[in-house]
This record gives sequence, structure tokens and C-alpha cells, in this order.
Amino acid sequence: GQQLNQSPQSMFIQEGEDVSMNCTSSSIFNTWLWYKQDPGEGPVLLIALYKAGELTSNGRLTAQFGITRKDSFLNISASIPSDVGIYFCAGLMWDYKLSFGAGTTVTVRA
Amino acid sequence: EPEVTQTPSHQVTQMGQEVILRCVPISNHLYFYWYRQILGQKVEFLVSFYNNEISEKSEIFDDQFSVERPDGSNFTLKIRSTKLEDSAMYFCASSEPLEQYFGPGTRLTVT
Repeated sequence: GQQLNQSPQSMFIQEGEDVSMNCTSSSIFNTWLWYKQDPGEGPVLLIALYKAGELTSNGRLTAQFGITRKDSFLNISASIPSDVGIYFCAGLMWDYKLSFGAGTTVTVRA
Repeated sequence: EPEVTQTPSHQVTQMGQEVILRCVPISNHLYFYWYRQILGQKVEFLVSFYNNEISEKSEIFDDQFSVERPDGSNFTLKIRSTKLEDSAMYFCASSEPLEQYFGPGTRLTVT
């Protein structure tokens, strides 16, 4: 699959802080998806992005599809304890194969 | 809300045995997928299935693996002769076609 570089690898944040993570690739994607995975569970789709430059929100989550189509970022505003988990970016090409990043582990300090 | 379901949640098998992992995709979805995730690693694509045939497969998906949609609702992954390195979480996903929704996974342990 395609290589996606996701950063940071992990972060500790204070409750109420904003969180930012990003994903870059050497390949162009048609669609960017962001997932959250809790331990022992399947990835849950958070946000889908379809066009270069698109900025989309879902509650406290905001994500953008980079204009080069090779990157995307995810912001979480005013973090709460249930935001703990692993966040994955995933890029989709014409063949519908999802390529995943390595994940960002978010831990919230109460 | 419709969701992807998978059974069993945990499967323990001996090396060399055959296993079948089962999935019920979301009912109006047309594209089906299997992914796997080795403990602590990222999710990896195995195979996609559309219109009753494999559309894409990865290098991981060798001759030991097969997929089937035996009826209108189930989607299965068969591993013919399991190896220790097949131990992982296996996720089924479905889409129509872009937004892929994942099931809760089957944890396969090969001993």
C-alpha cells in the first residue's frame, strides 16, 4: 500500500486543550478519511474529505484535505476525556484500497 | 444505525487449521473489504470485493486466503492453513463506495 506519515506519534494533552495531528504522503489521494480506534475495537469513521482544499467539521472535530491532495490534518477542539484513543488517517485512491497511517495516540490528562 | 457485524469476536486455532471469519456488511453497501491489524501496528488492506468478485488484493492475500459472499448478507474470509504470523485482528468493512465502515473485528490467535 501507499506510505502515509502521520504525526505526532503520540500526545499527552490537558482536558480543554485543542489537538492537532496531520498526515502526509508522497502519493495523491482522491479521498481522505479520519478514524478513531479504541482498544480492542474497530476503527470508527469520524470525517470524510472528498475535494482538495475542503474543510469539514463534525462537532468538535475539523479536518482539511490539503490542496496538493497529499496531506490532511485533523483538529480536536476543547478535548475531553473520551477523546482518548488512537486516531488514524487513511487515504483512498481510485481502487478503493484504504492506506492507513500509523496512528496518533491521544491521552488526555484530566 | 446500520453497522457491520463480525463473528466470532475471538477465534483460537492451531497452526495448520482452517478458519472462516464471518461478516455481515451494511445492507445497502456494494463494496466489501477485509483488513488486518497486527497488535500495535496499523491497519493493512487485504482484499476488496465488488459484484461477486475480488477487485483488488494485497501481497498479503496469498493462496491461503479466499473470500466469498455465499448469500445476500454474509461475507467470509477463509484462511486455509493458518500460520503463527496470521495472528491479528481481522476487520471487515463495507462502503457504497467511498466511506468505509468497519466492523468490531475478530481477534485470531494461532497457536
